[in-house]
Amino acid sequence: GESVGLHLPTLSVQEGDNSIINCAYSNSASDYFIWYKQESGKGPQFIIDIRSNMDKRQGQRVTVLLNKTVKHLSLQIAATQPGDSAVYFCAESGYSTLTFGKGTMLLVSP
Amino acid sequence: DAGITQSPRHKVTETGTPVTLRCHQTENHRYMYWYRQDPGHGLRLIHYSYGVKDTDKGEVSDGYSVSRSKTEDFLLTLESATSSQTSVYFCAISEAIAGDYNEQFFGPGTRLTVL
Repeated sequence: GESVGLHLPTLSVQEGDNSIINCAYSNSASDYFIWYKQESGKGPQFIIDIRSNMDKRQGQRVTVLLNKTVKHLSLQIAATQPGDSAVYFCAESGYSTLTFGKGTMLLVSP
Repeated sequence: DAGITQSPRHKVTETGTPVTLRCHQTENHRYMYWYRQDPGHGLRLIHYSYGVKDTDKGEVSDGYSVSRSKTEDFLLTLESATSSQTSVYFCAISEAIAGDYNEQFFGPGTRLTVL
């Protein structure tokens, strides 16, 4: 597999389960957050974003929750599928740059 | 990866040689970025550009230079490659809108090995 997966925290789930991936961010002034998915051998792909004036945002099978009090972000994936297996990164935005977390590997078993 | 290409996709070179990686976009986005990705470090910003001939340093800029002479092209140069620069390099683009919101779209990556 892609070397980016080494040394990462890993979440292993069964197909059909719900998955929750967590992320702590560092800058209390950050006002925009993004979740990316990276499959082996590919570049990161945008999944969902949220602004700091929101606590929750839903997409197709995914939900992002933002807790500004404890600077915590989570990504919930409903009915996880084998195609969801990947590394997931959160990112927090400054004005023109993003700072990425180190990522979590999600492994989905059939 | 739509609208963003990187070349070469793979390169093996020797310590001390110069290397240039190219990022090309067809989206006419203002911002372009170069990241490196290493195990245990995630994605780290090397340099970015906010317009033609306008660039700034990122977190890990030492040993790298960039140039942007056209909106669509952003070049990353390793003047004298070292083994510590063995990595996967990603280009990203963004069209900053009003406020601080900054979704970035990534290219497919270039795997560079310095022997």
